[in-house]
Amino acid sequence: GESVGLHLPTLSVQEGDNSIINCAYSNSASDYFIWYKQESGKGPQFIIDIRSNMDKRQGQRVTVLLNKTVKHLSLQIAATQPGDSAVYFCAEKVTGGFKTIFGAGTRLFVKA
Amino acid sequence: SAVISQKPSRDICQRGTSLTIQCQVDSQVTMMFWYRQQPGQSLTLIATANQGSEATYESGFVIDKFPISRPNLTFSTLTVSNMSPEDSSIYLCSVEWSAFNYGYTFGSGTRLTVV
Repeated sequence: GESVGLHLPTLSVQEGDNSIINCAYSNSASDYFIWYKQESGKGPQFIIDIRSNMDKRQGQRVTVLLNKTVKHLSLQIAATQPGDSAVYFCAEKVTGGFKTIFGAGTRLFVKA
Repeated sequence: SAVISQKPSRDICQRGTSLTIQCQVDSQVTMMFWYRQQPGQSLTLIATANQGSEATYESGFVIDKFPISRPNLTFSTLTVSNMSPEDSSIYLCSVEWSAFNYGYTFGSGTRLTVV
């Protein structure tokens, strides 16, 4: 069957290199942002989040950067591994609202 | 975070029939969310299901086509009614972690193919 991410933009990186996945969000009122990873046949999985009062947040091998001026979000993955191959979605939300809006997604392919 | 069991994981259905997807959460949650993910695309919210009240549907989705039940705080169903090939998609349920952390936990999804 067709897999998730077949028609999505693709980023191909060499194992061990750093990856940067970008996202433009739509609502200037959004104040909470999340990155999700979706592997084939699975639901999206939370990676890291950031609130609008921050411009950078680091996790284990991942860093999220937020530029509110241009409504841009990025996910940096250090020392990319084959297990990082997946589709990555950014998501935005307004605190107090019920709806989370998902971005278009990027397929990351890691070459061994 | 919560653990979600969703079933069936996949199904192939004849057009004109209906399929009910079940979502079971291992803890009590106020709101559950149903998403559709068409092949190669992002997630689109279908509706928000609150226990004890009617679901709230997003633009482009109607109750007659996607009836939702929410009988208690740990369970919900989504029915895809009178299916056509255009309904072929992945359907996902999700819950928010808490009132202070808005990350979602997702079920593993139901891959529906309508023939």
